[in-house]
This record gives sequence, C-alpha cells and structure tokens, in this order.
Amino acid sequence: GAGVSQSPRYKVAKRGQDVALRCDPISGHVSLFWYQQALGQGPEFLTYFQNEAQLDKSGLPSDRFFAERPEGSVSTLKIQRTQQEDSAVYLCASSSYRVTEAFFGQGTRLTVV
Amino acid sequence: KNEVEQSPQNLTAQEGEFITINCSYSVGISALHWLQQHPGGGIVSLFMLSSGKKKHGRLIATINIQEKHSSLHITASHPRDSAVYICAVRSNFGNEKLTFGTGTRLTIIP
Repeated sequence: GAGVSQSPRYKVAKRGQDVALRCDPISGHVSLFWYQQALGQGPEFLTYFQNEAQLDKSGLPSDRFFAERPEGSVSTLKIQRTQQEDSAVYLCASSSYRVTEAFFGQGTRLTVV
Repeated sequence: KNEVEQSPQNLTAQEGEFITINCSYSVGISALHWLQQHPGGGIVSLFMLSSGKKKHGRLIATINIQEKHSSLHITASHPRDSAVYICAVRSNFGNEKLTFGTGTRLTIIP
C-alpha cells in the first residue's frame, strides 16, 4: 500500500501477556517513529529509528518496552508482561528524512484487561 | 508547563463559522505540524510550517516564530471538519521527535 500500515488495528491482552505491534512504513522512508497516545491525550514519543539504527529510545516508559527495525523497513514494538497502564493507541509514523512531513499509520489500540 | 499548549481544548460551532485554533510552544523549533485526527485514531498531516503562512483549500495555517505561536483557521466550516486538531513541534536541537499538544476537539453542528 501507499501509506503507513499498522497491525493489528485492535489488540486485547490479558495482564502479564506479551504483545507485538507491527509497523510497515512507506517504502523508502528512512525515519520511523513510535508514539503512545493515552485516551484524551496527545501522542507521546516512544522511540525513533533512522534506517535500522535506533537513535533515540528515551521515551520508552520501562524496560518492558522494546522496539526493533532489523532491516531498516518494518518495525516491531514489543511490550512484555503488559500492565493496565499500557492500554493506549500506539502510533507509528515515517518520513523520508529530517524536517519533512510525517505520515502516520492508523494506530493499534491496545487494551490490557 | 507543557512544551506545546493548545487552545481551546474543545470548540463547538455552527456550520459556516470561521474557526481559529491556537498553538503556543516554549522551545526553539525547526518545524511545526498541524495534524487532524478522526475517531478511530488515524492521523493526517495538514501542514508543516517553519515560517509564514500556508493555505490548502479552506484551511490556513500561520506561524509567528518570534512569538512562538501558530494558528490554524478553517473558513466556511462544515460538519465533516469535526475532528481533533493537534499541533506538534520538532525542536531545533537535532532531535527528530515530535512533541505534541493535547489537541483541540472541534465539533461543527449542521
């Protein structure tokens, strides 16, 4: 497809379960970002990749959160031992390079029960 | 104090009204983005600004770098404009990440 694709769109996880969220950026986009959006709030930065290099992971809230982009294309955000406070929409965005327009996916809505 | 502040938080208006949403930020920036988010989560980029003014259809975005302020205007508003409008900035310290405001929920009544 032409846009940023995220899967699954919706995920319900039991507390303590591990989850993996996938992002397919626009082909050729160098930069990839993950953001977390709690209900009624603006998105908050989690992590940033330039190609396969994770240049900034300062927004990851705990060591239960891990992101990778091994071949510089598809990225996976993994959350281990999910907690209720992890419930949020997880947004992926990609852009061609610095200071350019960012394109967002539809997000994955994670609900931890 | 958040780095990016938006006002108002909620706005309800009649169809046809002129809409203004404001964004103030406290850091030096390389770019400011206006984004639209519909129910269901998808975000669409409306504008990216580093100076001056941009226009696309009924939407106009302006930025005043000295005052660290931007506005998004919608002319001849329509119910389909109902959405959350989010301002986001990219700092000028070389960090690529966007810092977002909390959004303005706009409802246009027919």
